[in-house]
Order: sequence, then C-alpha cells, then structure tokens
Amino acid sequence: GAVVSQHPSWVICKSGTSVKIECRSLDFQATTMFWYRQFPKQSLMLMATSNEGSKATYEQGVEKDKFLINHASLTLSTLTVTSAHPEDSSFYICSAVKNSNQPQHFGDGTRLSIL
Amino acid sequence: DQQVKQNSPSLSVQEGRISILNCDYTNSMFDYFLWYKKYPAEGPTFLISISSIKDKNEDGRFTVFLNKSAKHLSLHIVPSQPGDSAVYFCAASLHDYKLSFGAGTTVTVRA
Repeated sequence: GAVVSQHPSWVICKSGTSVKIECRSLDFQATTMFWYRQFPKQSLMLMATSNEGSKATYEQGVEKDKFLINHASLTLSTLTVTSAHPEDSSFYICSAVKNSNQPQHFGDGTRLSIL
Repeated sequence: DQQVKQNSPSLSVQEGRISILNCDYTNSMFDYFLWYKKYPAEGPTFLISISSIKDKNEDGRFTVFLNKSAKHLSLHIVPSQPGDSAVYFCAASLHDYKLSFGAGTTVTVRA
C-alpha cells in the first residue's frame, strides 16, 4: 500500500525552540497533504491542508504564524512549530492523498515534548 | 462541533466472533466514509472505505455498511483476531478531501 514517512518520530526540546517535522509520500505524488494534532485519548484534529506550491489553509483556531507549513514538492511537506512552548506538546501526524475520493495515508506521527 | 461520533469508546469481543463498530454523522453532505485502525504511537492505517452511492463494501474480513437515511455507518470484522486489537476511527469527508474523525473505539479481542 501507499507509504507516508514522517520524521522525526520523537522530539524533546527546550521551550522557545523551533521544531521542523517532515512528511514524505514515498511511492506516489500527493496533490494534498494534511497536518493533524492528537491529544491523549482524543481524536485527530485537522490543523491545516497543504497543496503543493500554494499557501496552506489553516483550520479555525490554528495560528498560521505558529505552525508554519511548507509544501515544496508533490512528495514533501514540512510543519515547523515556531518558538514551541509546553502547551504545544502533542502528537502530530501528517497524511497525504493522491486524488479525491481516495483514502488519506498517514505517517507514523511525531511525538513532540517541550520542556 | 463533532460531526462524526463514535459513541462506544471501547468494545471487547472474543476471538473468532464478530466485532461491530458503529459511527454516526450529522452532515448529510458527506460523500465518502472511511475506517482507520491505529496502534499506539503509530499513524492510522486505512482499512476500508465506502462512497455515499453505495450501502455496502466488503474487503476480506472487513465489511462497511452505510445507512444514509439514518446517517449511520458500521464496520463489521469477522472473524475477529487478536491482531485486530487497536483503536478504530471512523472518518467522513466532503469532496474537498478533508476528513472529520470520530473519537475512536478501542477494540480488545480476547483469546
């Protein structure tokens, strides 16, 4: 099946640090990539939708200056958590989709812990 | 507001028996529905999907049923196996790809 790689899988860093997370679709060209956040025992909450070569579309309540998204190619999207604080600690997951009415394929997520 | 709801947070089933997971949605415009399986510390894995023009889709041990009038879908797993123990998420989308997820149901298959 389709493979989406997410890196790193775990990050621990000090408050105020900026953290970059990469999401790659390894065996298909993704027209659209998505970034989600999951709190413990809760569902995945969509943060933003990213299309290659255009600005990301953020969901209501998500700070675009806090969570910078770059989608430089059809196989790579990055999420940068700028000046991270403890409240940003969470599980971040990306997904990629090739066409409409096809399933999104997810990376394995990044556990971000801000001290 | 939660447009996709999984009202059962957990389900325990004996190995070999059927697992039935339920999901309700509120937005009648959803046209594509999916089920994902998730293990701890991993991303969700796609299981099966169904378009709104169908009422049933089957893939091996997994069958998804859609009742549009009731805005309800279900996932049947038969026979259940120990490796099926995981969290199952129901998701729905409009034509813009964006998925709305339910809160998940934790399935435990007992030997």
